[in-house]
Amino acid sequence: DTGVSQNPRHKITKRGQNVTFRCDPISEHNRLYWYRQTLGQGPEFLTYFQNEAQLEKSRLLSDRFSAERPKGSFSTLEIQRTEQGDSAMYLCASSLHSGSYGYTFGSGTRLTVV
Amino acid sequence: AQTVTQSQPEMSVQEAETVTLSCTYDTSESDYYLFWYKQPPSRQMILVIRQEAYKQQNATENRFSVNFQKAAKSFSLKISDSQLGDAAMYFCAYEGSNYQLIWGAGTKLIIKP
Repeated sequence: DTGVSQNPRHKITKRGQNVTFRCDPISEHNRLYWYRQTLGQGPEFLTYFQNEAQLEKSRLLSDRFSAERPKGSFSTLEIQRTEQGDSAMYLCASSLHSGSYGYTFGSGTRLTVV
Repeated sequence: AQTVTQSQPEMSVQEAETVTLSCTYDTSESDYYLFWYKQPPSRQMILVIRQEAYKQQNATENRFSVNFQKAAKSFSLKISDSQLGDAAMYFCAYEGSNYQLIWGAGTKLIIKP
């Protein structure tokens, strides 16, 4: 198992364009989380899945953001009509059941909106 | 709502010495988990140590140990025999009943050779 994989590592997009990120969690982990981290700050929770069900979604997540986890495997995070304020590192993490054993993070996708 | 506060934006320590990073949190829950994560520059978040709130014994992982004071809602990280590879951002995080991690703003640790 190679850990949590995120693609792409970097994405530069023009304001108004749509972008999609992918996360492949550790195969036996049934929980998958998305966080957003801006420079110099701690991550902020966006959403999480247990298997294919999206159980929680932050108020930070506007209608332009959508996440899916088909079949409880990989997950995608889509941002529509990107804005400069969306520029951040998007982190994916997975865990087995609850996070009490800790979360395994991917390397993140750095989004720059120009 | 739960909050996590790291009051030290930056700390520096001489190689081989000991440093303590502070973290306080606020919660009304009695059962929760606390974590310290390390984030080296341009690299992924790595779990350093975790603590279950119902355990009185402080967690230790090799050179890393915590001082967990539940009543004071304090969760500090002690790094002994600091090494150059310990240089990173360190984040304190809280997980409560909603399974979301609440993070502090981080402490940048500088190791002086």
